Amino acid sequence: DADVTQTPRNRITKTGKRIMLECSQTKGHDRMYWYRQDPGLGLQLIYYSFDVKDINKGEISDGYSVSRQAQAKFSLSLESAIPNQTALYFCATSDSTSFSPDTQYFGPGTRLTVL
Amino acid sequence: RKEVEQDPGPFNVPEGATVAFNCTYSNSASQSFFWYRQDCRKEPKLLMSVYSSGNEDGRFTAQLNRASQYISLLIRDSKLSDSATYLCVVNMDSNYQLIWGAGTKLIIKP
Repeated sequence: DADVTQTPRNRITKTGKRIMLECSQTKGHDRMYWYRQDPGLGLQLIYYSFDVKDINKGEISDGYSVSRQAQAKFSLSLESAIPNQTALYFCATSDSTSFSPDTQYFGPGTRLTVL
Repeated sequence: RKEVEQDPGPFNVPEGATVAFNCTYSNSASQSFFWYRQDCRKEPKLLMSVYSSGNEDGRFTAQLNRASQYISLLIRDSKLSDSATYLCVVNMDSNYQLIWGAGTKLIIKP
């Protein structure tokens, strides 16, 4: 079984709809992240969480919110989806206690299309 | 200037050849450096960390040049399965701030 899972894997929605993307991990890592990837651009950080009580905005948090329900779960919400939020979304984890705390492990991604 | 820059390619390379590409970064205080590999429509996966002394993992060699602020990735005896996009990642400072390059696309041809 995959260590980092994301649901759904694909989603098509309409402008103005509320969307939630979910991420779960069995790696026991304390840190979790949400990124988006657009063609020709690097991964852009939306939000990150270093533990259940710690949530931080990334470089492109406007229009998004997150919830860290447990150490293993980190969800991303689009309160009112707009077409320029069409992208590939990745969840990632890392372990602050490891030799390389910056090493990230990714879920398979969610392809979101906003019409 | 982008904080982390990569040549987008594509690099079209015959099987068995050696290929190298660089990644430049803007912040001289950067502390951690990585190469990730991403296959089409898949998630990025760590290829290797880049240490100050350089490091090698099989056919792959990564080097860091702090004076000129770039890291490099060398692939020897390239295989068809090496075809992918290679992402450069830099931690800009002591607080969490990983910056991702847009990637270099590599195509290995038979």
